[in-house]
Amino acid sequence: AAGVIQSPRHLIKEKRETATLKCYPIPRHDTVYWYQQGPGQDPQFLISFYEKMQSDKGSIPDRFSAQQFSDYHSELNMSSLELGDSALYFCASSTRDRVMIRGYTFGSGTRLTVV
Amino acid sequence: DAKTTQPTSMDCAEGRAANLPCNHSTISGNEYVYWYRQIHSQGPQYIIHGLKNNETNEMASLIITEDRKSSTLILPHATLRDTAVYYCIVAGATGANNLFFGTGTRLTVIP
Repeated sequence: AAGVIQSPRHLIKEKRETATLKCYPIPRHDTVYWYQQGPGQDPQFLISFYEKMQSDKGSIPDRFSAQQFSDYHSELNMSSLELGDSALYFCASSTRDRVMIRGYTFGSGTRLTVV
Repeated sequence: DAKTTQPTSMDCAEGRAANLPCNHSTISGNEYVYWYRQIHSQGPQYIIHGLKNNETNEMASLIITEDRKSSTLILPHATLRDTAVYYCIVAGATGANNLFFGTGTRLTVIP
């Protein structure tokens, strides 16, 4: 079965650079969620999108922005990168209005390292 | 979102049942109990969820107390590959509800 695809798997950037992470949800899933997981920490919700509109916002820094496109894929744009942005970034997808049978499906994540 | 409380860590002998408790005393009537696990640096993986009845699937069983204030995830025959951080999360039934991860239980399965 198709899963949530994230790219790239690994990314190394320097401080003050920008980064773009991509997420391709499971076909027919209309909702995408982004999470950040720092070293030794639990996943923290950043932002979610439904039908190309932002639906909820968590602890996302102002330097970060995201959007969902017409094909439902989503991109997380991160600017003025700081060392503390080094983390695993996970994307998950689901269907918003249908009762979940098997919960959210997470991608394998993008490991961002800021040097 | 309702807060959950889990032990920080647990050990379990390989082949034995692993019982992971979770307290969610402020759960509301329409909220489900979800369990996810995260094997080192991989994306969280859905295990099971339930509202008030006990549930079983190919991965685990979920026992929810009658008052719904606590639950237990049971891995009937733990293997080394079950070593992971297990998260108990309370959320609504649909994808309109974001998942908020608390501090899960680090389960170590010992040979």
